[in-house]
Amino acid sequence: AQTVTQSQPEMSVQEAETVTLSCTYDTSESDYYLFWYKQPPSRQMILVIRQEAYKQQNATENRFSVNFQKAAKSFSLKISDSQLGDAAMYFCAYGDNNDMRFGAGTRLTVKP
Amino acid sequence: EAQVTQNPRYLITVTGKKLTVTCSQNMNHEYMSWYRQDPGLGLRQIYYSMNVEVTDKGDVPEGYKVSRKEKRNFPLILESPSPNQTSLYFCASSFVGAYEQYFGPGTRLTVT
Repeated sequence: AQTVTQSQPEMSVQEAETVTLSCTYDTSESDYYLFWYKQPPSRQMILVIRQEAYKQQNATENRFSVNFQKAAKSFSLKISDSQLGDAAMYFCAYGDNNDMRFGAGTRLTVKP
Repeated sequence: EAQVTQNPRYLITVTGKKLTVTCSQNMNHEYMSWYRQDPGLGLRQIYYSMNVEVTDKGDVPEGYKVSRKEKRNFPLILESPSPNQTSLYFCASSFVGAYEQYFGPGTRLTVT
């Protein structure tokens, strides 16, 4: 079965600085998607960014970008110019054919 | 507005008292799923449904039941809740074959 590992239970960053959250996954599939979800205190799951495995170009969404290393099965999230509103739990997720697997999450604290 | 709704949002109950958490989506999605979120474990799939009258077990189905009599609804049933089912529950939906799932707001369940 596919697994997703987030090795950083907690991270902190100073406001306006850059932080990178790590994620690795294990799969034998060639066609899949990877996601980063943000979960603020409201508990709502908010999609931050997604990456199609067949695309070599790393996805970007404003201040959020990923470093997708398919051979290494690594999918890290970089948050630039961190803002107080970025404080949340972040989940890395793997998806193929409607099967979605989540990592344990990384709690990000943003210091003013 | 396209959305997934869950009710109730909060529920405190006692061991053995049957309960149902409703889930409804208005996006005409074929696929619906239930997850539970526990600290340090991320989200784990309980049951999923690929279409009306088609349901299947996820990773942690014990103690839960589901039904899919209508396309838009996918209730989660706990016939005899136990304290180890205290958790945060999410319903999600998507089109079959799509990789992005849309999440409901979550239901916080406490079983005493």
